[in-house]
Amino acid sequence: QKEVEQNSGPLSVPEGAIASLNCTYSDRVSQSFFWYRQYSGKSPELIMSIYSNGDKEDGRFTAQLNKASQYVSLLIRDSQPSDSATYLCAVPGNYKLTFGKGTLLTVNP
Amino acid sequence: EPEVTQTPSHQVTQMGQEVILRCVPISNHLYFYWYRQILGQKVEFLVSFYNNEISEKSEIFDDQFSVERPDGSNFTLKIRSTKLEDSAMYFCASSGLAGYNTGELFFGEGSRLTVL
Repeated sequence: QKEVEQNSGPLSVPEGAIASLNCTYSDRVSQSFFWYRQYSGKSPELIMSIYSNGDKEDGRFTAQLNKASQYVSLLIRDSQPSDSATYLCAVPGNYKLTFGKGTLLTVNP
Repeated sequence: EPEVTQTPSHQVTQMGQEVILRCVPISNHLYFYWYRQILGQKVEFLVSFYNNEISEKSEIFDDQFSVERPDGSNFTLKIRSTKLEDSAMYFCASSGLAGYNTGELFFGEGSRLTVL
């Protein structure tokens, strides 16, 4: 059973700061990881995917994967109030995605 | 932009009643999913569906639940005899082939089910 843990949070940062969100996973053979964003009362949407060790950058977002430590993170640079949401880490499984419980991020103006 | 649509957006029902939640996936997608999210909790997988049969289901998806693709566009989730603990937001999602591997699931806006 693939599990993802997101134990940090809620997280509050001032506008313009870097927000750091973390996720650990239990299955050593997991090859890919995804970050979803879920605004309050809305559905999840995919924002980042990462498949190999190291960093992947997309605009203000950087995903970092460390397979040896079974750890994946999401950095949001120059955080904006519009980034306030719950961020879900997800791993693929047998015909499904398994989500972590999410980290609530609040960016204060 | 193509989107997944769900109806109803909110349904209130009495315990023991049957409920059908409906979804229209993105038209060229092949995989369909139902997830649920109890208020304040995680997004939980219920079932995935491909080629007119269930590909995978979770422990939550017991005999009270069923899914169907009655025609070429709709994908439904039926709960036969609702319980209080079925109260949740139910999300339908769809993806292309092996979208669960690429993480590219497209979610509908959800159907909120309240069981009294």
